[in-house]
Amino acid sequence: DTGVSQDPRHKITKRGQNVTFRCDPISEHNRLYWYRQTLGQGPEFLTYFQNEAQLEKSRLLSDRFSAERPKGSFSTLEIQRTEQGDSAMYLCASRARDTSNEKLFFGSGTQLSVL
Amino acid sequence: LAKTTQPISMDSYEGQEVNITCSHNNIATNDYITWYQQFPSQGPRFIIQGYKTKVTNEVASLFIPADRKSSTLSLPRVSLSDTAVYYCLVGEMDSSYKLIFGSGTRLLVRP
Repeated sequence: DTGVSQDPRHKITKRGQNVTFRCDPISEHNRLYWYRQTLGQGPEFLTYFQNEAQLEKSRLLSDRFSAERPKGSFSTLEIQRTEQGDSAMYLCASRARDTSNEKLFFGSGTQLSVL
Repeated sequence: LAKTTQPISMDSYEGQEVNITCSHNNIATNDYITWYQQFPSQGPRFIIQGYKTKVTNEVASLFIPADRKSSTLSLPRVSLSDTAVYYCLVGEMDSSYKLIFGSGTRLLVRP
């Protein structure tokens, strides 16, 4: 257990539905990341928060995707009008405030299946 | 961000030493080399990081030659539980420290 919690662990939804995932990072970590991983591939960067500010977004993050970190603690990732291509593992990671700390701590992910 | 190249897969047997080499010809001066391990249905886990020469921790060693265009992750005396995907990443430890993963090396440890 890395200390990063993600909920739910699995989500099955029908195409066109909206889904929301939650990430609780390690409490003292001010940096939070979302990644997406499909079978056989490495994780792909989606977006990054420093405290509550969303500082970077990948072009992979279409306008159907939105992420928030309202109080600089937990974060949510919402996918609207899901498509079958959204099926993937969605990973959250956090990192400590001190920039000399090189480690990202990943959660176990939310596995999304869009039928 | 420097691109990395590593073998798609490797096989080994319990008790052997495993060396996974990663090429990063375009590594920049400020880039560090980091390795992560990932088991099925889990997020990646930090293994080791280095800038040059050799780094060792309780899990692995990382060898980096002087030109830093490659690096080798060494796992001593592997066990079945070391079966996983290993990712080599190269990047600058700036404030965002966005990690860019490749496809990794799938290590299979056989009994």
